[in-house]
Amino acid sequence: AQSVTQPDIHITVSEGASLELRCNYSYGATPYLFWYVQSPGQGLQLLLKYFSGDTLVQGIKGFEAEFKRSQSSFNLRKPSVHWSDAAEYFCAVGPVRGSSNTGKLIFGQGTTLQVKP
Amino acid sequence: GAVVSQHPSRVICKSGTSVKIECRSLDFQATTMFWYRQFPKKSLMLMATSNEGSKATYEQGVEKDKFLINHASLTLSTLTVTSAHPEDSSFYICSARMSTRADTQYFGPGTRLTVL
Repeated sequence: AQSVTQPDIHITVSEGASLELRCNYSYGATPYLFWYVQSPGQGLQLLLKYFSGDTLVQGIKGFEAEFKRSQSSFNLRKPSVHWSDAAEYFCAVGPVRGSSNTGKLIFGQGTTLQVKP
Repeated sequence: GAVVSQHPSRVICKSGTSVKIECRSLDFQATTMFWYRQFPKKSLMLMATSNEGSKATYEQGVEKDKFLINHASLTLSTLTVTSAHPEDSSFYICSARMSTRADTQYFGPGTRLTVL
């Protein structure tokens, strides 16, 4: 079955500290991979995505993610967290181009990031 | 670019009434739009996929007669919650996918529905 697991429900880091949010997936083939961020009461903003090529992907707001095929992981990182990064983070997977799927995304459960001053 | 809006952002209604939520792609044509439901502290659950000019495809367990979806144009999809009940209270989010960049979905800001 296709699934996405974000093992950490809640993470607290100090402002200025580094951050890593974990994401593991189960899929029939290498899917497209996404990280979204959701601020309270808001929709989702795309941070970055991986389709193919370089396994280290750069995104907006200083975030990056690394795709590791052997571990079926796509962890999100940021070297120095800002207070404004406090939000809900979702990892998602989607079908590759050309597949018969309509393109629907499968989301992880989300990780709530709290930033201490 | 790639902005998606939703209206209203927040709605409160009485039990038994119907509520319509609009999802618009403001600066691109969306051949496909998706409707999600998000419970507090929970992930997004895909409700249905709508393609312009055709019937929506509903996910298993989603009542199509209760959640009516119309995708009448390349920039507008609507979700109507019919005969709403308190258990329908939730955060509804739509997303849109471009015909030219079909790999990425762009999300609206969401609509908070409260049924009294």
